[in-house]
Amino acid sequence: NAGVTQTPKFRILKIGQSMTLQCTQDMNHNYMYWYRQDPGMGLKLIYYSVGAGITDKGEVPNGYNVSRSTTEDFPLRLELAAPSQTSVYFCASSYFPGQRTHGYTFGSGTRLTVV
Amino acid sequence: AQSVTQLDSQVPVFEEAPVELRCNYSSSVSVYLFWYVQYPNQGLQLLLKYLSGSTLVESINGFEAEFNKSQTSFHLRKPSVHISDTAEYFCAVSPDRADGNTGKLIFGQGTTLQVKP
Repeated sequence: NAGVTQTPKFRILKIGQSMTLQCTQDMNHNYMYWYRQDPGMGLKLIYYSVGAGITDKGEVPNGYNVSRSTTEDFPLRLELAAPSQTSVYFCASSYFPGQRTHGYTFGSGTRLTVV
Repeated sequence: AQSVTQLDSQVPVFEEAPVELRCNYSSSVSVYLFWYVQYPNQGLQLLLKYLSGSTLVESINGFEAEFNKSQTSFHLRKPSVHISDTAEYFCAVSPDRADGNTGKLIFGQGTTLQVKP
């Protein structure tokens, strides 16, 4: 029972490079989210998905893209890395909001540095 | 739009002393409220939540929080802290809507609890 798995754990990118942050969950959660965490800023929502084939922008989507072809996987794509994207990225999943089981399960994070 | 304010960025406290981490939110609709804890170099873990019913909610490790609708607060308390409670704590709010509820959480800036021996 792995929960939410994120890969890689660490990555250094050069400006302009691209990469995909992987996220997979084995809890059959329909709801999945990508957040970025910057010091003193809390977590900001990048993109989210309420089910396979359905995605939508969060608060800070610029420079990122997502897809949701299966219930389990929710990868985050950085097309042209910029120093402003240096951050820690967290993927999370959840049951339907409002149910007694509602509450995110987070992955362990990906620490990304863009140089 | 919803927002969350954690009033203290750092809270130093001695072991076995009581602690309160403050959280205020603003919202035009009813909300769900959460506290998450993040230990160093780890992801966030759900500590406790208020969805409905009793306004006082408790966690398994001795923390409690009380939903105060009139003051729009959800402060986290523990009567006696341990060294192992040293971590960053995040308050979060999600709007309670009957339809189209996306479950998006708005997080506060975080409060670092530092427990000293």
